[in-house]
This record gives sequence, structure tokens and C-alpha cells, in this order.
Amino acid sequence: KAGVTQTPRYLIKTRGQQVTLSCSPISGHRSVSWYQQTPGQGLQFLFEYFSETQRNKGNFPGRFSGRQFSNSRSEMNVSTLELGDSALYLCASSKTGMNTGELFFGEGSRLTVL
Amino acid sequence: GQQLNQSPQSMFIQEGEDVSMNCTSSSIFNTWLWYKQDPGEGPVLLIALYKAGELTSNGRLTAQFGITRKDSFLNISASIPSDVGIYFCAGQGPNQGNLIFGKGTKLSVKP
Repeated sequence: KAGVTQTPRYLIKTRGQQVTLSCSPISGHRSVSWYQQTPGQGLQFLFEYFSETQRNKGNFPGRFSGRQFSNSRSEMNVSTLELGDSALYLCASSKTGMNTGELFFGEGSRLTVL
Repeated sequence: GQQLNQSPQSMFIQEGEDVSMNCTSSSIFNTWLWYKQDPGEGPVLLIALYKAGELTSNGRLTAQFGITRKDSFLNISASIPSDVGIYFCAGQGPNQGNLIFGKGTKLSVKP
């Protein structure tokens, strides 16, 4: 059974640019959650999508957005990049959602903003 | 918002030693989970706890859901080099949709 796939694995952007990250969940999983991981702050919740609807949202500015497609694949977008957006962005899928806590994580997309 | 305090931040131990780490919260949680993250990988679920007082094992790992619902601990017995990594606790409160993660315990094991 294929795991959660995130692309790209690594990317470098400059301040002011925008970036789109992609996540393909485990087959049959309808929930996709996104987290930002930094050494200082740990794992911070961005948002969760379930059946193409945003179900939960963390405390991030509007520059961070996401969406989910009918095949459960999800994308997140960060506009007007800032240096502080440099982080590992992790996507996690689950069958029914975060309420069970049993999330399956991808390997992440490491974003560096110069 | 809710915060999880995870300790210790890091541990350096000898192979074969037992390890203990814990998480505390200022408010109650309905679910406690423990994840492990290897370098270059995403976190992997080790143990999930859903009931206060619950004690669950997964091989050499044992975790407990504190009776007050405000804490949890993870023990690793007879550590081996592949136990190296960052261990995260995560919890979900009664009125929350999302999981909150602790900042992690970095474990180093000396052969």
C-alpha cells in the first residue's frame, strides 16, 4: 500500500514569491492535514481538509491556503513568501480525520526562502 | 491556545538503558498519541491512547494516559541504536478538531 506522497521534496524560493506544495494521501483516506515544522516551534497545525472541505484551520495568516480535490489529493499554497516561512511542510492523511489522531505522514517538503 | 510541555528536550543514553519521557498539558485531553520521527522522514505513530488510565505497549515501548487526562508518558526499555530519533507527544482536547504536538524529545543512543 503506497504511503503519503509529497512533492516536491526540496525547493528554494526567494522572498515575495509564492509556492505550491502537493500531497497525495494513502488510497482510501479522505482526510488530509498540513503541518509546518520548524526547530523552534515544532509541529504547527495549518489546516485539515476532508472530502474537499476545509474542516479545521490553525492560526496562520491568510497567505497560507489549501484545497483538496475530488480524488483526495491536496495542495497548499503560500503567497508572498517571508524568510520565516522556511520550514519542513508535512502532510498527513487519515481515513476519517484528525479526531482519531491516527495520522500517516509523508516525508515532507523542505522549503527554503532566501 | 493549548500547549503541550514535553520533557526532556534531549537525552543521551547508553545502549541497553531504559528511557522515559513525558508530556503535560494545562487542560484535559481526550486522546494522547506518541510519534517518532527519523531524520529526513515524517513522524510515524507509535502508540495511541484513548482512555484515562490506559496503559498500552508496543514491543519495547509502553505509554500511559494519565488519570488526570493532563499528562502522558512514554517508556522505552532496553534501548537500541535504531531508537534514535525525535519522539513527539500529541493530544486532542474535548473541543478541538486538530492535534496539538509537543516540541519533541531528541533521543541519542550510544552503542
